[in-house]
Amino acid sequence: AQSVAQPEDQVNVAEGNPLTVKCTYSVSGNPYLFWYVQYPNRGLQFLLKYITGDNLVKGSYGFEAEFNKSQTSFHLKKPSALVSDSALYFCAVRDINYGGSQGNLIFGKGTKLSVKP
Amino acid sequence: DAGVTQSPTHLIKTRGQQVTLRCSPKSGHDTVSWYQQALGQGPQFIFQYYEEEERQRGNFPDRFSGHQFPNYSSELNVNALLLGDSALYLCASRSGGSTDTQYFGPGTRLTVL
Repeated sequence: AQSVAQPEDQVNVAEGNPLTVKCTYSVSGNPYLFWYVQYPNRGLQFLLKYITGDNLVKGSYGFEAEFNKSQTSFHLKKPSALVSDSALYFCAVRDINYGGSQGNLIFGKGTKLSVKP
Repeated sequence: DAGVTQSPTHLIKTRGQQVTLRCSPKSGHDTVSWYQQALGQGPQFIFQYYEEEERQRGNFPDRFSGHQFPNYSSELNVNALLLGDSALYLCASRSGGSTDTQYFGPGTRLTVL
């Protein structure tokens, strides 16, 4: 069965420092991977996705993610964190049981990012 | 361009009651999915609608049902509410025939007392 794991419940970073939010996946075949961010009392906002191609994916708000097939990881990164980046971050993988692009998303439990001034 | 919209924002019900949540997809999108997000958890897939039919379903009981209208909007119905149904219910939309991204609405917070 497809799954994603976010090993850290919370990540604390000082403003201006680089940040990394970790995600590992387990799928059969090629993964379709996504990162979403959720601010308090809000829905999910799309940040970026990996379908195929370059292993380094650039997304919204200066975020990027590196796809690593050998380590089955898709870590979210940002060179310089902002206080406004503080939020809940979710990694997700497309469920391929229903066939390629049509499947729903399987989410991790989320990682709370806290950026202090 | 309006994104995904959902109504109502908040809802309080008692055990055993029935509830209907509504979703309008992003302009140009024809596929709607519903997710349940319990407190402290990631969203869990409930079902997906395309061309007014349920196409995929997650591991949710038959108390959860839905509908999609000709204008692509959708409803989620939950019967015989349980305390455990308290959650944020998220609607997501995308184009039906591609690997495109799912865009989420702000959600409906359901509290069952």
